[in-house]
Amino acid sequence: GQNIDQPTEMTATEGAIVQINCTYQTSGFNGLFWYQQHAGEAPTFLSYNVLDGLEEKGRFSSFLSRSKGYSYLLLKELQMKDSASYLCAVFDSNYQLIWGAGTKLIIKP
Amino acid sequence: TAGITQAPTSQILAAGRSMTLRCTQDMRHNAMYWYRQDLGLGLRLIHYSNTAGTTGKGEVPDGYSVSRANTDDFPLTLASAVPSQTSVYFCASSDLAVNTGELFFGEGSRLTVL
Repeated sequence: GQNIDQPTEMTATEGAIVQINCTYQTSGFNGLFWYQQHAGEAPTFLSYNVLDGLEEKGRFSSFLSRSKGYSYLLLKELQMKDSASYLCAVFDSNYQLIWGAGTKLIIKP
Repeated sequence: TAGITQAPTSQILAAGRSMTLRCTQDMRHNAMYWYRQDLGLGLRLIHYSNTAGTTGKGEVPDGYSVSRANTDDFPLTLASAVPSQTSVYFCASSDLAVNTGELFFGEGSRLTVL
């Protein structure tokens, strides 16, 4: 079966750095997404990785290793507004999106 | 910019009643999707449509139907609601011609079936 694993919840301190991991086992791979979802709101797109390596976008970076079936989202200089759930999703061989359950990130002052 | 509009925002429904969740997009995206999101579970695809006039079944299609008469509208119908259909429903769209396939989501419809 297809599976995406990410931690259920993480806690970090304002101003610090946090890394949210995602591992996947899917039938084929055509790209990996990270979305941010604030409580009670819709998910919004953060990043897309299809090749190995690090993609940096401001305070957020996303890393992919296809051989390891592994990705992480790195958030720097954490702000209170970064408190949200972070969803990992993978395009399988049929371009169907497989979603992880999400990681709830709690930022403390 | 409207993007994707869903209605209603929330609804309480008696079991056995029918209900249609509406979804309209103004981005001229070819693909549209309906997901449900339940606590502790990832987004699960109910139905999708890659272009007007065609639809397909997702991971959890039972008890739901969709239609795609035109590019902009993609309603989701529950013919006879059951309590297990209590969930938050998200409509989304994407432009399949774009490599990233980024999804744009509506604000969600919270449905409670009693």
